[in-house]
This record gives sequence, structure tokens and C-alpha cells, in this order.
Amino acid sequence: SQQGEEDPQALSIQEGENATMNCSYKTSINNLQWYRQNSGRGLVHLILIRSNEREKHSGRLRVTLDTSKKSSSLLITASRAADTASYFCATDGDDSWGKLQFGAGTQVVVTP
Amino acid sequence: GAVVSQHPSRVICKSGTSVKIECRSLDFQATTMFWYRQFPKQSLMLMATSNEGSKATYEQGVEKDKFLINHASLTLSTLTVTSAHPEDSSFYICSASGQEETQYFGPGTRLLVL
Repeated sequence: SQQGEEDPQALSIQEGENATMNCSYKTSINNLQWYRQNSGRGLVHLILIRSNEREKHSGRLRVTLDTSKKSSSLLITASRAADTASYFCATDGDDSWGKLQFGAGTQVVVTP
Repeated sequence: GAVVSQHPSRVICKSGTSVKIECRSLDFQATTMFWYRQFPKQSLMLMATSNEGSKATYEQGVEKDKFLINHASLTLSTLTVTSAHPEDSSFYICSASGQEETQYFGPGTRLLVL
């Protein structure tokens, strides 16, 4: 079953703008990971944030984690057309032995 | 990052036949591999977890006799869809993890059962 809820379901922005998407989950976690999927392709790992971390950066990506609210956000700054993809959060629960529960995903379209 | 490959990338088969999908970790030893399926415009649903040398653990609702998983080595896991039917048509994705927490995903296999 899916643990995460993501919003928005879809996001359309112009190049140069920032894109923010949110993920909420239900159970306690070891870590939360964000992945990107281009249409019909596999998943690309973007960033992992552990339960004791609050914020993490990687290039144009910024991820926050609020375990008290059981939520995370992914910010893509200065978006590019190549960022067009679906973005998924996935949680690794503290009793799930590495199994990931995926959110429903946010479909991001960046227009030139 | 680590590389995971899948073969074939797409397969079309007749109803009633069996299809084998391979998942390989190319540059690391994968102690655990996971199999997911994804329907169009939906998220990934975990089917099973396989550890090298032991039986796979299936998620609730996934038939272990229909989806046979073998993890014979630290770099190879196979998923066999037995007696495939049109409703088994889907995108099957594997992932592998080694010593790290990060799971690395294969490019997926698109199965179409006619």
C-alpha cells in the first residue's frame, strides 16, 4: 500500500521558476528519499534525508523534513525544461527492513 | 551512482506463456533486491523483496506462484511472470541496495500480454 500522499498532483511552471512539491506520510521512518522518473523510464535517485535531519541540499535541490508533521518538501530552484518529469517521495519505515513505500507522485512540466 | 540494469526492456507475449525478467547490479553487490510494478500514471507498488540465497518475501495480495522470484547471486535477481494474462501487462521495475540505504533502480521492463 502507498504510504505517502503528494501534492500537488501536477505542477506546470516556466523555466527559471522554482517548483515545490510536498509529501506526507503516516508511520515513523528511518529516512525519506526523493526520486525522479521520466516518462516510461526507471527511477533516478535524487536525495535521501534521514529522520534526524531537517534539511538537505544537492545542487538545485533542497529537501526539508518535518518528522513532527510527518511531511517533507522538495524544492527545485531555477527550473529547466529538462526537469520535466514525475517526482516521487519514498519512505523507509523503521520496521520495514529497507522496503520503500512510494507516494503518488507529482508530475512537473517545465515549459521553455 | 550505482548502476542497475534490466533485461529485456520491453516484451510482448501471448496469454498463457511465461516471461522472465532479469535485474542485475552492475558495479556493486546487492544483498537485497526489490521488485515493483507500475501501472500507467500511477505510483510504484512493491511486489516482493528478495535477499540473496533465500526465499523472496511477497507483499500482501501478490501471488508468489504467479510471480516467481529468484535471487541466485549478489548481482542477479529474476522475476518470472508465469501463465501471463493481459491484466499482468504493466511496467516492472527492480531496485537493488547494497551496504547503503539508497536503492538504485533499473530502467524498467514493459510487459504487454496479448
